[in-house]
Amino acid sequence: VLTQPPSVSVAPGQTATISCGGSNIGSEGVHWYQQKPGQAPVLVLYDDSDRPSGIPERFSGSNSGNTATLTISRVEAGDEADYYCQVWDITEEGVFGGGTKLTVL
Amino acid sequence: EVHLLESGGGLVQPGESRRLSCTASGFIFSAYAMTWVRQAPGQGLEWVSTITGSGGSTYFADPVQGRFNISRDNSKNTLYLQMSSLKAEDTAMYYCAKNGPSVTPSFDFWGLGVLVTVSS
Repeated sequence: VLTQPPSVSVAPGQTATISCGGSNIGSEGVHWYQQKPGQAPVLVLYDDSDRPSGIPERFSGSNSGNTATLTISRVEAGDEADYYCQVWDITEEGVFGGGTKLTVL
Repeated sequence: EVHLLESGGGLVQPGESRRLSCTASGFIFSAYAMTWVRQAPGQGLEWVSTITGSGGSTYFADPVQGRFNISRDNSKNTLYLQMSSLKAEDTAMYYCAKNGPSVTPSFDFWGLGVLVTVSS
């Protein structure tokens, strides 16, 4: 089970942090997706902190112990979306967190 | 450019079957595992099933194990999801996704999705 806060709010230009909690998640690779309303998800980070081509450097990640974190620096209005963490667990199944709605104030 | 296009959705009666298809282009289809992910209305993402590039190995979420089957035709660049004994709780947008270059499976390109509604 991956636990995410239901919502996070941040002012433009500030830093948003979204957590993903799970037992010993630090030993697994965590991936993060952004989903805007009515759109398909987009991979924004993989293997904890690697960015796919086209994802701004403002998106970064870390993973240690029981918590993985997605950090969005210099938040823009266009970053408003739902964010999901995901792992491939030891039972060979994909697991998503419940999602976090990021609101840009 | 990677492109994934799902088809086959619609209204289905409980207990019936439906096959979804996903046509891929822009990459060497047989070289990548592929995955189905679904999203019930207003809910989060739920992993459904993954198949390796050769089709030799498949993986299923517990709620669909024994009812859904995933397959692929690499000669047609097409992924399938055969769904049977459908239930109301299978109602969702179904996305096909290409597995990414990560150490553990991630999904780097997604289709637009296809809606499956299970209702009498």
